[in-house]
Amino acid sequence: QVQLQESGPGLVKPSQTLSLTCSVSGGSINIANYYWSWIRKPAGKGLEWIGRIYASGRTNYNPSLKSRVTVSVDTSKNQFSLELGSVTAADTAVYYCAREYYDTRGYHYYYYMDVWGKGTTVTVSS
Amino acid sequence: DIQMTQSPSSLSASVGDRVTLTCRASQSISSYLNWYQQKEGKAPEVLIYAASSLQSGVPSRFSGGGSGTDFTLTISSLQPEDFASYYCQQSYSVPWTFGQGTKVEIK
Repeated sequence: QVQLQESGPGLVKPSQTLSLTCSVSGGSINIANYYWSWIRKPAGKGLEWIGRIYASGRTNYNPSLKSRVTVSVDTSKNQFSLELGSVTAADTAVYYCAREYYDTRGYHYYYYMDVWGKGTTVTVSS
Repeated sequence: DIQMTQSPSSLSASVGDRVTLTCRASQSISSYLNWYQQKEGKAPEVLIYAASSLQSGVPSRFSGGGSGTDFTLTISSLQPEDFASYYCQQSYSVPWTFGQGTKVEIK
């Protein structure tokens, strides 16, 4: 049973960089049909997809955050990471890492997040 | 970005009720639509993917339907453990986007 666990500082100062790591256990991060994603949920708001990475290093980012976001992978440690720069109070949220599976049906690729970490709260405040 | 709109934003229902939640996309997304359930303080869990495919381990009282721009999630007989928030998410094009959620509360 694959499990994901987020780790990182719970408090970040404005203008600094938020750094989180997601450790994957119970399975390898370096397998086909899976991306590894970051999603966040500000209090009282909905879910926002931040970006994802494939084990090869291929990434996709949300354009609304792209200039500030980097997602990286370390297959030797079986983990992937999120860096979000120049943070403000608007970046205060629960951050989740998730495994993104794609089900192929002919030429169709159906992506969905099938395993999630428990989430970690990050507060941006001085 | 594709905008996802859910309705209603909240509803009150009783155990045993049949409940239908709606999600609308700002453009056609074929069947690239997922549904998640999130309980307070917990991570979301996928219920339905590809609009109508039931994720392994999810009770059969959950069902999804629709294609194009209009989608539904139906709970055939609401159980106490189903009181939660539900989110739709499009996987037609990056960036993936979610609806704002529907909170199902106890009447």
